[in-house]
Amino acid sequence: AQSVTQPDIHITVSEGASLELRCNYSYGATPYLFWYVQSPGQGLQLLLKYFSGDTLVQGIKGFEAEFKRSQSSFNLRKPSVHWSDAAEYFCAVGANTNAGKSTFGDGTTLTVKP
Amino acid sequence: DVKVTQSSRYLVKRTGEKVFLECVQDMDHENMFWYRQDPGLGLRLIYFSYDVKMKEKGDIPEGYSVSREKKERFSLILESASTNQTSMYLCASTNPGQGGPEAFFGQGTRLTVV
Repeated sequence: AQSVTQPDIHITVSEGASLELRCNYSYGATPYLFWYVQSPGQGLQLLLKYFSGDTLVQGIKGFEAEFKRSQSSFNLRKPSVHWSDAAEYFCAVGANTNAGKSTFGDGTTLTVKP
Repeated sequence: DVKVTQSSRYLVKRTGEKVFLECVQDMDHENMFWYRQDPGLGLRLIYFSYDVKMKEKGDIPEGYSVSREKKERFSLILESASTNQTSMYLCASTNPGQGGPEAFFGQGTRLTVV
């Protein structure tokens, strides 16, 4: 069975500082990996995704993530955080089978200090 | 621009009422999903549908049913609402054949059962 772990429930960073959100997954084959962002009271928006190719993927809003097969990780990074990045972030693992169903982590809430 | 639309942003219903949550997508996607989101629990899958009139239970189907009479519309039904169904409900769609199981989400419906 597939699963996703986001070890950090809540992270606080200062504006302008770098950010790394952790994600570990369990999956039997090569998975699709996603990061989504959710602003308060909104649905989820895709930040980036990985399936194959270059293990460092670029997304929207200046985010990037690196796939490390040996560590079963897909950590999200941003070099300089903006106040507007405050939101909840979800890592997910999915496949093209089974209706494209994804399994989501429990989320990491990011607070940005001025 | 692709779009998933949920009929209500906020709903307040009484215990025992029958509640309908509606979701429409305009992307001709095969698959549609209903999740509920609660603090600290991430997204939990209630039901999904991979074709018209086809449905499968997710992880927490008890107390819910669904209907998919047309490809673009997926309804979540609470047969007899209870206070423990107070939650944020998110609808999503995928079409893995178009490049991967990326999920497109609606803006969410915040349901309060009193």
